[in-house]
Amino acid sequence: AQTVTQSQPEMSVQEAETVTLSCTYDTSESNYYLFWYKQPPSRQMILVIRQEAYKQQNATENRFSVNFQKAAKSFSLKISDSQLGDTAMYFCAFMKTGNQFYFGTGTSLTVIP
Amino acid sequence: DGGITQSPKYLFRKEGQNVTLSCEQNLNHDAMYWYRQDPGQGLRLIYYSQIVNDFQKGDIAEGYSVSREKKESFPLTVTSAQKNPTAFYLCASTPRVWGKSQPQHFGDGTRLSIL
Repeated sequence: AQTVTQSQPEMSVQEAETVTLSCTYDTSESNYYLFWYKQPPSRQMILVIRQEAYKQQNATENRFSVNFQKAAKSFSLKISDSQLGDTAMYFCAFMKTGNQFYFGTGTSLTVIP
Repeated sequence: DGGITQSPKYLFRKEGQNVTLSCEQNLNHDAMYWYRQDPGQGLRLIYYSQIVNDFQKGDIAEGYSVSREKKESFPLTVTSAQKNPTAFYLCASTPRVWGKSQPQHFGDGTRLSIL
């Protein structure tokens, strides 16, 4: 069975600072995909960044980047230059063959002005 | 613009009543999903469907039922057998194209409450 663990239920960061959210997963699959989603207070799920497991290069999307460690089964999200609009729940997600998705329990991030 | 429409936004259920949550997508996606979200528990999969007229149970299917008669539609019925239905329900879809990182697209959700 696949599991996704987010060990930080809540985090906070000062505006303009950098924060890293952790995610680990457990799988026996060799080919899979990883995602980070953001859920602001509006509760809309927004894709932040994605990573293919067969790619060694870490994905980057503007202020968001990941540190993908396949051997360690770790997929952390780094947010640089944090902005007030980054305040949200962040979910790590794993997708395997058959388009089955598995989500972590989320990390609530608060950006402090 | 293409997207996923969930309705209603808010829904109230009386004891012993079945209610149906609507999910429609115009993204031409093959796979559709229903999730339940409770505080502190993230998203839990209720049912998913890869193609029309076929669907599979997720982790918490008891007390729920679905149908997939059309590619665009994947309604979820919360039956009276679901004893604790109060939650936020999210519908999602994705193309059934393996080999590419196809993320899930989500609707805006339905908040279901017990009267």
